[in-house]
Amino acid sequence: DARVTQTPRHKVTEMGQEVTMRCQPILGHNTVFWYRQTMMQGLELLAYFRNRAPLDDSGMPKDRFSAEMPDATLATLKIQPSEPRDSAVYFCASGSAYTGELFFGEGSRLTVL
Amino acid sequence: KQEVTQIPAALSVPEGENLVLNCSFTDSAIYNLQWFRQDPGKGLTSLLLIQSSQREQTSGRLNASLDKSSGRSTLYIAASQPGDSATYLCALRTGANNLFFGTGTRLTVIP
Repeated sequence: DARVTQTPRHKVTEMGQEVTMRCQPILGHNTVFWYRQTMMQGLELLAYFRNRAPLDDSGMPKDRFSAEMPDATLATLKIQPSEPRDSAVYFCASGSAYTGELFFGEGSRLTVL
Repeated sequence: KQEVTQIPAALSVPEGENLVLNCSFTDSAIYNLQWFRQDPGKGLTSLLLIQSSQREQTSGRLNASLDKSSGRSTLYIAASQPGDSATYLCALRTGANNLFFGTGTRLTVIP
C-alpha cells in the first residue's frame, strides 16, 4: 500500500534548536510539496519540488527555513533556529505527474517551547 | 488569486441521511479539483479527484461534481455513517505548483 511517510510524527523542542523533518514520497511521484497547518491559517504551502528541483518556496521564511531533496526518496524541511510561532503540523505530499492527484503523509506535529 | 469557500463550516446530520457539501471558487481556470477528508490529528486522505475536463467522479457512497462555469463543486455523501464524521476539504489545482484549499466543512454524523 503506497503512502507518503513522514518522520518524526511528534517533536517537542526548545526555542533556538534546529529541527529537521523528513518525508519519503510515494515511489514514482515526481512532485513533492511541504505544507504547514495551523488553526489560524489553515494549510499554507511552504515549498514545492518537481523532479527534485525546488520550483516554489515563496511561502517559506527564508531566514530560518530550508527545504531540500537530496534524492528522489527523501525530502527534508529544516528550521534553524526554531521559534514558538513555528509550532504547527507540517505535512508532506507527493503527486502523480500523470493525474495531478496529491497524497499526503500523516504529518509531523512540532511544538517549540 | 483563487479564493475557495466552503459553506457551511460545520454540519451535523443524523445517521442515514444523504448530504451535500459545497465548495465555491472564484477562478474557473483550474487544472483539477480534489476532495479530501481529515480526521482529527491525522493527515489528509484523498477521496476523489476531478480533472478539469470532467463533470463528476464517483467512489462508493461518494459522488463529486464540478461546474466550472458557476465556480462550484459539490461532494454528495449517500446514506451517511458515523465513520464519515471528519473535516472535508476541497482543493483546486490551478497550475503545477499549488493547491488552493478551502477552509473545510466539519461533518458530524449522529448515530
